Amino acid sequence: LAKTTQPISMDSYEGQEVNITCSHNNIATNDYITWYQQFPSQGPRFIIQGYKTKVTNEVASLFIPADRKSSTLSLPRVSLSDTAVYYCLVVKGGATNKLIFGTGTLLAVQP
Amino acid sequence: DVKVTQSSRYLVKRTGEKVFLECVQDMDHENMFWYRQDPGLGLRLIYFSYDVKMKEKGDIPEGYSVSREKKERFSLILESASTNQTSMYLCASRPQGEETQYFGPGTRLLVL
Repeated sequence: LAKTTQPISMDSYEGQEVNITCSHNNIATNDYITWYQQFPSQGPRFIIQGYKTKVTNEVASLFIPADRKSSTLSLPRVSLSDTAVYYCLVVKGGATNKLIFGTGTLLAVQP
Repeated sequence: DVKVTQSSRYLVKRTGEKVFLECVQDMDHENMFWYRQDPGLGLRLIYFSYDVKMKEKGDIPEGYSVSREKKERFSLILESASTNQTSMYLCASRPQGEETQYFGPGTRLLVL
């Protein structure tokens, strides 16, 4: 499974758009890019998944360039409740029994 | 809505005790997982199960065992708890054919 690299932490203010970039240089052809969110004292929660170009749901957008060696999670107009750790994972398509979580990015949203 | 529950949020045990951590999911998922999460190390897979009575070792199975007698329930067992097993334990489930895993709230275990 491809290794991912993302910033350890980011700061933002309420109402701003936040972009968290993840690099995955060794991504394979059948791998997907997946993001999870984890609040303190809770289990991770799936946010969004994509293969290429752009994916949007009610929570976030995911931008993946053509070479797929990186991806950017975009959170529009963050609020204090978006303070969490965000994990970027590369997941093999199909039946996947193993998720490899790195240390993630701690996003701190301030008033 | 998928619901994964864990029997305890916080647990304090003594060295050498046998510890049972229970996980139940209500969505008929075939696959279930146990992870531990430690600062600076992320989540590490201990064991997983893809069917009743089936189990596979993850990355760090030493000191742990599991039991899956019913589809909805996956138990993690610490045969003889040690202080280095103090951690946050997370259970997850996943339906066959999907990649998304659904996590429980976690059990924070302290071994004294």
